[in-house]
Amino acid sequence: NAGVTQTPKFQVLKTGQSMTLQCAQDMNHNSMYWYRQDPGMGLRLIYYSASEGTTDKGEVPNGYNVSRLNKREFSLRLESAAPSQTSVYFCASRISGTGNYEQYFGPGTRLTVT
Amino acid sequence: GENVEQHPSTLSVQEGDSAVIKCTYSDSASNYFPWYKQELGKGPQLIIDIRSNVGEKKDQRIAVTLNKTAKHFSLHITETQPEDSAVYFCAASMGGSQGNLIFGKGTKLSVKP
Repeated sequence: NAGVTQTPKFQVLKTGQSMTLQCAQDMNHNSMYWYRQDPGMGLRLIYYSASEGTTDKGEVPNGYNVSRLNKREFSLRLESAAPSQTSVYFCASRISGTGNYEQYFGPGTRLTVT
Repeated sequence: GENVEQHPSTLSVQEGDSAVIKCTYSDSASNYFPWYKQELGKGPQLIIDIRSNVGEKKDQRIAVTLNKTAKHFSLHITETQPEDSAVYFCAASMGGSQGNLIFGKGTKLSVKP
């Protein structure tokens, strides 16, 4: 199993450009998450999808949109990138309904907006 | 909403010494408390977790303790090794179908040989 995969690994955007970060998991997990990690700020939840077909806002959703394409894939879109969105983005997934709350994280996407 | 405070932000120890990282949480409804380790350039990985019906849990050199009354929990690493050097995050969750985690800001642990 590859676990949680993210593409791209690195990306540089100019202010105002758009892009989509891709995430996929092969563990048959129900729930998927997008976090951003900034120095000294820990991980903050952007959006999550508790199950296929549902998405909800997390702590810092402004400037982002998400799509739960199917059970495996959960994408994060920046419509008009801003320097404040420079960060490392992590996707995570977990199986739900079993009492197991462990989240499995991908390797991250390092995004720089100039 | 839930708020998780983590201390210290940096910790340096000699190889073989013990390391302790502490977290406090605000919402008494939280019932799941994991600890994640993040190595440089990688995503966080769960190392140990504890639920609110347990006061202590141990796995080889790592242990977690929980004080529900005081709303704090701690990670203990004994006989530290250079490969323990990483950033450690605590988190809290109310569990349930969403299972959203609220993370502390992290502790950078350095183990000097």
